[in-house]
Amino acid sequence: DIQMTQSPSTLSAYVGDRVTITCRASQSISNSLAWYQQRPGKAPKLLIYRASSLETAVPSRFSGSGSGTEFTLAISSLQPDDFTTYYCQQYKTYPWTFGQGTRVEIK
Amino acid sequence: QVQLVESGGGVVQPGGSLRLSCAASGFTFSSYGMYWVRQSPDKGLEWVGVVSYDGSNRYYADSVKGRFTISRDNSKNTLSLQMDSLRVEDTAIYYCARIRTALATGDAFDIWGQGTLVTVSS
Repeated sequence: DIQMTQSPSTLSAYVGDRVTITCRASQSISNSLAWYQQRPGKAPKLLIYRASSLETAVPSRFSGSGSGTEFTLAISSLQPDDFTTYYCQQYKTYPWTFGQGTRVEIK
Repeated sequence: QVQLVESGGGVVQPGGSLRLSCAASGFTFSSYGMYWVRQSPDKGLEWVGVVSYDGSNRYYADSVKGRFTISRDNSKNTLSLQMDSLRVEDTAIYYCARIRTALATGDAFDIWGQGTLVTVSS
């Protein structure tokens, strides 16, 4: 199985900060990577697909980059709504696998 | 609007069975591969399995292979997950999910249900 490793596990930041979350795959997944945002008690919400494509209606402060084994989710200017948990996921090979999550908290 | 609604969760004893359903609306259900994903505090988000758009192919995570069965009824726009020989470690919120692209086999999940809680406990 392909292992997805996110870092950091927790990130503390202020409103307005630029933050980045990294996701590493244990083998190449080309650009078959998605990023999700999950609020407590809710299902994950798609932010980025194909590593860098912004899902419809997702604010442009979110961006994704990378290919192969290393990927990044960036939030250019954190808003109060953005303090929650983020996951990466590979869909290159079954079984599809998720990272363990990164919690973004208010400093 | 495009929507997935799960039902059927509950409390079951180890070794028991449960059947989850997922009702789809607002899109051409028969054109999309459909998936089950579960989430628990211990294991995080875990892909359970998939059934192809026409029901001809199914793939499962090793952790559920031989115990869980995914099926679909395209005439009723319904996805099902039959769970047998349940274990304590199957306790989780179960989501059904759709991928972005019709007739594709690999893409991100763009539509998720609200989730249904399955608790396996004696």
